[in-house]
Amino acid sequence: GQQVMQIPQYQHVQEGEDFTTYCNSSTTLSNIQWYKQRPGGHPVFLIQLVKSGEVKKQKRLTFQFGEAKKNSSLHITATQTTDVGTYFCAGAGSARQLTFGSGTQLTVLP
Amino acid sequence: DGGITQSPKYLFRKEGQNVTLSCEQNLNHDAMYWYRQDPGQGLRLIYYSQIVNDFQKGDIAEGYSVSREKKESFPLTVTSAQKNPTAFYLCASSIQDYNSPLHFGNGTRLTVT
Repeated sequence: GQQVMQIPQYQHVQEGEDFTTYCNSSTTLSNIQWYKQRPGGHPVFLIQLVKSGEVKKQKRLTFQFGEAKKNSSLHITATQTTDVGTYFCAGAGSARQLTFGSGTQLTVLP
Repeated sequence: DGGITQSPKYLFRKEGQNVTLSCEQNLNHDAMYWYRQDPGQGLRLIYYSQIVNDFQKGDIAEGYSVSREKKESFPLTVTSAQKNPTAFYLCASSIQDYNSPLHFGNGTRLTVT
């Protein structure tokens, strides 16, 4: 079945450093979505990428969708303590459902 | 304010008992979902429904049951057949289907002893 792998599982950074999390799907995706879950909270939708090679920005966050539509990344520039949380990618594809990656837990040290 | 309401926030049950988790939405979304989240893991799909009176099994449906009698409501029953029921359960909805962004409730943390 469809699998979505996400790395790294954990990332500790100093405030001001950059952060990147990567997702890889075993199958071609129709779209990929990114979510953020704060500690003790629920996932909140960040963005959806649909087109091959698509790049979208939200302030300090940059999202990319690979040319083959099988991988994606989220890059945060100059992290802040408010960026703390777990970032999930979720791919929609042949399984006709949204498959979540295992998430990257980001810790930002002040 | 529109949103998804899950209740209760915390739930404690004895092994062997069935328990029903509530999920209500007032977003007028067609699709609703139940996910399970275990520590250090992603979200795994239990059941989903794209229309009233219809639902499909997700990846880990064994030991769970659902109903969708109203558009607004999608309760999940964790039966005694579920071997490891202790987890964080998240209900979500989307406008149409899995291609639409999900809106999540605050979750129910179930502990079975």
